[in-house]
Amino acid sequence: SQQGEEDPQALSIQEGENATMNCSYKTSINNLQWYRQNSGRGLVHLILIRSNEREKHSGRLRVTLDTSKKSSSLLITASRAADTASYFCATEWRGGGNKLTFGTGTQLKVEL
Amino acid sequence: NAGVTQTPKFQVLKTGQSMTLQCAQDMNHEYMSWYRQDPGMGLRLIHYSVGAGITDQGEVPNGYNVSRSTTEDFPLRLLSAAPSQTSVYFCASSNQGARGNTIYFGEGSWLTVV
Repeated sequence: SQQGEEDPQALSIQEGENATMNCSYKTSINNLQWYRQNSGRGLVHLILIRSNEREKHSGRLRVTLDTSKKSSSLLITASRAADTASYFCATEWRGGGNKLTFGTGTQLKVEL
Repeated sequence: NAGVTQTPKFQVLKTGQSMTLQCAQDMNHEYMSWYRQDPGMGLRLIHYSVGAGITDQGEVPNGYNVSRSTTEDFPLRLLSAAPSQTSVYFCASSNQGARGNTIYFGEGSWLTVV
């Protein structure tokens, strides 16, 4: 299986703190994407980073990619209660024919 | 612009029954796909389509059929439901697949097979 792993599986922080979650994958990729899923809802695309990029920002989100270690991290700064959700990384791996492989997800809880 | 619409939202089936999960998108996307989500497993690709008339298998295709007669619709058929198919199913669409393009997901269909 090409499925990636995310770490930690669950994370609980206080509002205002930063949240960092990591993703590891197994094969060479074209790009890596992060998604958010609120309980009982579909996935929402957050950010995409290409294999030739090392860091990308979008609002309070910062994503890094280390292709030599086959890993990525998602940092959410100044977290809010509304950030409570599950976060998934997904990779488009080379030779995968435009298909995405998802990680197992990190459940983030931001407490007031 | 409704995005990706899935029906039904919830369904309970008896073992051996068949049913179709409907998926429609109004964004004129070429790529559509079906995933299932099980606890602790992330999303796994069942089938996908790169355009009308073209479908292919994903990671876990057994027990499911798909067709793509139009650009808008991509139904998923369970031929003979089994308890192992109890899961949450997500339909997704995008232009040009995952290659640097945002993928839009439906809200999910919760299926229980008893």
